[in-house]
Amino acid sequence: GQNIDQPTEMTATEGAIVQINCTYQTSGFNGLFWYQQHAGEAPTFLSYNVLDGLEEKGRFSSFLSRSKGYSYLLLKELQMKDSASYLCAVIKREYGNKLVFGAGTILRVKS
Amino acid sequence: GAVVSQHPSRVICKSGTSVKIECRSLDFQATTMFWYRQFPKQSLMLMATSNEGSKATYEQGVEKDKFLINHASLTLSTLTVTSAHPEDSSFYICSAREVGGRGEQFFGPGTRLTVL
Repeated sequence: GQNIDQPTEMTATEGAIVQINCTYQTSGFNGLFWYQQHAGEAPTFLSYNVLDGLEEKGRFSSFLSRSKGYSYLLLKELQMKDSASYLCAVIKREYGNKLVFGAGTILRVKS
Repeated sequence: GAVVSQHPSRVICKSGTSVKIECRSLDFQATTMFWYRQFPKQSLMLMATSNEGSKATYEQGVEKDKFLINHASLTLSTLTVTSAHPEDSSFYICSAREVGGRGEQFFGPGTRLTVL
């Protein structure tokens, strides 16, 4: 199967840091994306990783380890508006370079 | 940034009617567009890949005669839900992949379909 695994739900406090993990099967890997989706809206792009390491973009950072089939999204200085679903998506060559989505992690930020 | 629009944003129809949803890439060309369906509290499920000038590729379990896809130009793809039934009620989202890009997909705002 495609086996992209993320935690179902997480809760964190405003101002804190939260890390959302994603694991995937490594065969045919060709890139990993993180998207944010608020309820009733379409996903919006957050980050892209294809090489090992950390990509930082403001309050959001994303890390990739290709050999381990592992990525995380790090959100700093959490704000209430960060409450959303966070989707990990992988591009795989054997799927015609289509995006395959994990089930998403619902993040709840509390004050 | 790349913008994708969808129309209509919301539609309510009677069972048995057909509904057309348009997906447009506004400031870039997209040889490939994707159609997803998302049920409440579930992730996006790819329905089909729409290729400009050729037939769409449907995912397993998606009826091509029920979900008609046309990708007539590099900026427009349409999804027609034929003979809609209440179980087709869902959030339909399109995305477009830019020609020569790194594979990132830009998503439209989605269309909420309710079949009565």
